[in-house]
Amino acid sequence: DTGVSQNPRHKITKRGQNVTFRCDPISEHNRLYWYRQTLGQGPEFLTYFQNEAQLEKSRLLSDRFSAERPKGSFSTLEIQRTEQGDSAMYLCASSTHSGRAYEQYFGPGTRLTVT
Amino acid sequence: QKEVEQDPGPLSVPEGAIVSLNCTYSNSAFQYFMWYRQYSRKGPELLMYTYSSGNKEDGRFTAQVDKSSKYISLFIRDSQPSDSATYLCAMSDSYGQNFVFGPGTRLSVLP
Repeated sequence: DTGVSQNPRHKITKRGQNVTFRCDPISEHNRLYWYRQTLGQGPEFLTYFQNEAQLEKSRLLSDRFSAERPKGSFSTLEIQRTEQGDSAMYLCASSTHSGRAYEQYFGPGTRLTVT
Repeated sequence: QKEVEQDPGPLSVPEGAIVSLNCTYSNSAFQYFMWYRQYSRKGPELLMYTYSSGNKEDGRFTAQVDKSSKYISLFIRDSQPSDSATYLCAMSDSYGQNFVFGPGTRLSVLP
């Protein structure tokens, strides 16, 4: 399977714990995006990378959230001191840097439940 | 006013019907317009993309963009029960940045 993969698919954690999610993009794609989606809403942009450089972060992104893409391949998204409001689907997408950067391909998502 | 608006539905149609899904937007910097399909508890799947104004057809799907009215549409012909999903419009600027999604329209095609 050469699509975007995300792990874990589901995560249940207690309030105050830290969680980390992983995304493996399509191999030839050098742009990687993180989104958050809550029930009945479209995906909300969080941050994106071009290769290993984090180029943009949403102004709405709390400083409890941090993302890395150390070698320009896979990426991790960490949420520290989780809150119940962090419960959502976290989606990763990738695209090429070329003129088709608008063609984003999504992974299956990681569903986070904070109890 | 939200940057991208979309009727959330739900929209129920009989099998074989023509479905019309629409989005309006406010940011004139948007140049690329995409439609995604999302099945329950899955990630969005890219259906079609269009640059600037005009029409694009792919099989049973037709995307239309009217930049003067800031209005985009997706038409599905001969709808099938397998088309039942949430349809999300998305838009970006000319650099593929400032990617914004609508809230999605939930579609049910009844056999």
